Amino acid sequence: DIQMTQSPSSLSASVGDRVTITCRASQSISSYLNWYQQRPGKAPKLLISAASSLQSGVPSRFTGSGSGTDFTLTISSLQPEDFATYYCQQSYSSPPTFGQGTKVEIK
Amino acid sequence: EVQLVESGGGLVKPGGSLRLSCAASGFTFSGAWMSWVRQAPGKGLEWVGRIKSKADGGTTDYAAPVKGRFTISRDDSKNTLYLQMNSLKTEDTAVYYCTASRGEFIFVFWGQGTLVTVSS
Repeated sequence: DIQMTQSPSSLSASVGDRVTITCRASQSISSYLNWYQQRPGKAPKLLISAASSLQSGVPSRFTGSGSGTDFTLTISSLQPEDFATYYCQQSYSSPPTFGQGTKVEIK
Repeated sequence: EVQLVESGGGLVKPGGSLRLSCAASGFTFSGAWMSWVRQAPGKGLEWVGRIKSKADGGTTDYAAPVKGRFTISRDDSKNTLYLQMNSLKTEDTAVYYCTASRGEFIFVFWGQGTLVTVSS
């Protein structure tokens, strides 16, 4: 199975800050990398697919980049509603696997 | 509007069985590849298994921890996805989410989840 490792596991940032979350795959997954946001008590929501393709309705402050084994999710200007846990997930091969999550807390 | 509504969760003893349902609406269910994803309390996300559309063979694939114990099926006439869970273990305790995929494993739509608790 492909292991996905996110860093950091948690972070605290202020409204308006630029936030970057990294995700590393244990082998090359090309661009088969997706990002999800999960607010407390809610189901996950797909933000970005294929490493950099923003889903319809997702604010443009979210961007994804990377290929191969190293990927990043950037929030350009953190908003209060961005308080959530973010997961990366590879869709390159079965079983699909998720990172352990990055919890973003608002200072 | 796409809706996925899970039901059937609850408390079950170790070794017991439970069947979850997921009622779908707002999209062409018969053409969709569907997956179950679970989340243990306070933990991350774990894929459980997937069923393809009947047009694509209707085949299933499962994660190693549940293979041989869980079965995914679908009733396209009822727009409903099922997860039959047998020989349940305490480590199966989780919120179970029904998802609709784009491609094989891009989980575009999610239900609200249903909690399964396996405890004596």
